[in-house]
Amino acid sequence: DQQVKQNSPSLSVQEGRISILNCDYTNSMFDYFLWYKKYPAEGPTFLISISSIKDKNEDGRFTVFLNKSAKHLSLHIVPSQPGDSAVYFCAASAFGNQFYFGTGTSLTVIP
Amino acid sequence: DTEVTQTPKHLVMGMTNKKSLKCEQHMGHRAMYWYKQKAKKPPELMFVYSYEKLSINESVPSRFSPECPNSSLLNLHLHALQPEDSALYLCASSPGAGLETSGSYNEQFFGPGTRLTVL
Repeated sequence: DQQVKQNSPSLSVQEGRISILNCDYTNSMFDYFLWYKKYPAEGPTFLISISSIKDKNEDGRFTVFLNKSAKHLSLHIVPSQPGDSAVYFCAASAFGNQFYFGTGTSLTVIP
Repeated sequence: DTEVTQTPKHLVMGMTNKKSLKCEQHMGHRAMYWYKQKAKKPPELMFVYSYEKLSINESVPSRFSPECPNSSLLNLHLHALQPEDSALYLCASSPGAGLETSGSYNEQFFGPGTRLTVL
């Protein structure tokens, strides 16, 4: 049973516009969430995280929003750049070091 | 040194071969992980080592045998694999090592992976 879901397998955005990637989860015990970025033939790279005590975390062009009541988080990238084209995975964990990954969203930023 | 390294990058093996994947980190992390990732799928956790002891085995077949010789090294020994075992095998490490920690201590740093093909 998939505890973390990314319902959009792909997303295309024009360069300079905002990219919004979504992630839903089912386990209310999850208290820490991460976004990873993955290029082909490479391992996932940590991008940004958020603790369940917050509802927003910002790092440069990347902002993650957490809506605990809806069990939903989103990653906003603005402005989007062609180098952002990659697969983005969200991951969640309850207290501990076992993370559950979503199925990924492939983002294409069109120059 | 802030990276996780994995060797080899690519591996092709027959079903009767024995091979090993290697993973190394020198960040002083207390937990190390093996994941398997098939195309267009999320990484699937296989094993977790905490303080050099196996803490999680996600019902992985015995043809995969992990080993943690020391806190910096993690091996995955492969024997009698099947073609469906072909995948990207990812190693990761995290500063935290289990239920006594949470949050940023458990952020996982991934290696580049080993692309395994079983013929």
